Order: sequence, then structure tokens, then C-alpha cells
Amino acid sequence: QQQVKQSPQSLIVQKGGISIINCAYENTAFDYFPWYQQFPGKGPALLIAIRPDVSEKKEGRFTISFNKSAKQFSLHIMDSQPGDSATYFCAARSGNFNKFYFGSGTKLNVKP
Amino acid sequence: DADVTQTPRNRITKTGKRIMLECSQTKGHDRMYWYRQDPGLGLRLIYYSFDVKDINKGEISDGYSVSRQAQAKFSLSLESAIPNQTALYFCATRGLAGASNTGELFFGEGSRLTVL
Repeated sequence: QQQVKQSPQSLIVQKGGISIINCAYENTAFDYFPWYQQFPGKGPALLIAIRPDVSEKKEGRFTISFNKSAKQFSLHIMDSQPGDSATYFCAARSGNFNKFYFGSGTKLNVKP
Repeated sequence: DADVTQTPRNRITKTGKRIMLECSQTKGHDRMYWYRQDPGLGLRLIYYSFDVKDINKGEISDGYSVSRQAQAKFSLSLESAIPNQTALYFCATRGLAGASNTGELFFGEGSRLTVL
């Protein structure tokens, strides 16, 4: 049973458009929600993260929106660029045992 | 040099063979993890270790074993490899969250294993 559900599996966006990736979870013990970005041949790297006491976090063109009551969070990439083409993973951390649970990943392709 | 180094980067082996994937880190982190990545399944935790004397099973530990030889080294073994263990394997480290540390995971570049 996947602890974090992610959609869509793949996404094609035109340059300059907005990319939106959604994640949902059930475990209310999760205390930290990061997004990781992975380029081909590389390991995932932290992109942006949020704690559940905040509803939104913005870093440059990347924004996390967090809805605690709905147990959902999403990544928005504004003004998407071809260099943003990568696989994105949402994740959630279980505070008790410091384990991270990952979503299934979204492959983003930004067309020039 | 990479902070988290995995060897080998690619390996092809046959069913029944014993395989070891190695991970070393220069970040000084206590926490180390092994994940497996499969298309459409994301990253799944195999084992994790919070220090040399602490080893814990993750979501999918069956068929795998680990060894924490030192704070900086954490190896993953497949005692008798089978084809459905064909995957991309990642080692990750994490420090304690604090004023100057987000507590994020730092990943190696992965070890691609193919079991024929």
C-alpha cells in the first residue's frame, strides 16, 4: 500500500506554462513534505519542502501548496522551462522513525 | 568528488549470484538509507541505519541484507539475485535537522542492477 499517492505519472507542458503535480497522503503523523527533482542518470535532489503548519511555500518559480485538512499537497512550477524537464517525486517523512515515503514520480517534459 | 558515492554504477549478473552494492559518504552523516527505484513505483525503502550498531528493515527488505561497516560506509547485498531485483538502487544519507541543516536526504547517483 503506497503511503503517498502522486499524479499524474507524466506531464507535457509548453515553455512558459504552469506545471502542476499533486500528492495525497493518509498518515497524519507525517511531519515534513519535501519534493525531489531527478535528472536522468542522477540521484534525486531536494527541490523544496514544507511543514504541515504552513499552507504555502514559494522558492523562485517553485511553489508548494499544502492542504492539511484534505491531506493533499501539490507542486506548482511557474513559467516552466525546458531545463525543468525531469522526474519529480513528492515525499513525506514519518517523524517517529525518520523514514521517508515517496510518491511514484511524475516525468515532466517541457516543450520549447 | 561526490559526497555520496555508489559502486558499481552498473552491474549485470545472473540469477543466483551474490551481489554487493557499496556506498560511502563524506558528509559526516549518521543516517544512511538504501532505496530501490522502479518505474511507476517511485522510491521504496529497503534498509536504513542510524548508526553503526543500528540496522532497520524498510518496506521491502526480503531478499536483501545490509552491513554498516563504519559511519561512512553502508553496503547492500543480494545473497541470491533474482530477475525481479532488476532495478536502480540508491544510497542516501541524512544529517540531524537543526539550525543549519534541513534534515534532507542526499542521494548518490545510483547503481543500475540487471539480473538475467
